[in-house]
Amino acid sequence: NAGVTQTPKFQVLKTGQSMTLQCAQDMNHNSMYWYRQDPGMGLRLIYYSASEGTTDKGEVPNGYNVSRLNKREFSLRLESAAPSQTSVYFCASSERAGGSYEQYFGPGTRLTVT
Amino acid sequence: QKEVEQDPGPLSVPEGAIVSLNCTYSNSAFQYFMWYRQYSRKGPELLMYTYSSGNKEDGRFTAQVDKSSKYISLFIRDSQPSDSATYLCAMNDYKLSFGAGTTVTVRA
Repeated sequence: NAGVTQTPKFQVLKTGQSMTLQCAQDMNHNSMYWYRQDPGMGLRLIYYSASEGTTDKGEVPNGYNVSRLNKREFSLRLESAAPSQTSVYFCASSERAGGSYEQYFGPGTRLTVT
Repeated sequence: QKEVEQDPGPLSVPEGAIVSLNCTYSNSAFQYFMWYRQYSRKGPELLMYTYSSGNKEDGRFTAQVDKSSKYISLFIRDSQPSDSATYLCAMNDYKLSFGAGTTVTVRA
């Protein structure tokens, strides 16, 4: 099992460009999450999908959109990138929604916006 | 004020020392308390998980929760260079709230 995979691993964008971060899991999990990690800020939830067909905002959703394409895949889109979106982005999945369930994380995407 | 506060360190200890990590929180609704370990340039992975106040041991690792003080701790006994990582506390209501993470280096 690959677990949670993310593409790309690294990306450099210019301000105003758009891009989509891809995430897939092969653990048959119902819930998926997108976080960003910044120095001194820990992991902050951007969006989550409790089950296929549903998505909800997290703590820092502004500037992002998501799509739960099917049970396996959850993508994050930046429509018009800004330097404040420079960060490391992690996708995670869990058996069910709710903080009591162990979340499994992907290796991350390192994004720089210039 | 953040819901979860964690001293980011960094913390550097010699091999064999006891490592002590702490978090405080403000949300009384938190029920589950977790510690994730994150190696450099990797995603976090769950290390330990507790539900109630008290201690939980897993090998060299001990997690403590004091709900009355809203304070949780992780102790690593006989620390090894392989324990060098960032440790993030996390706690839940409908979602996980993470601390900033403490970076630990164990010197051989």
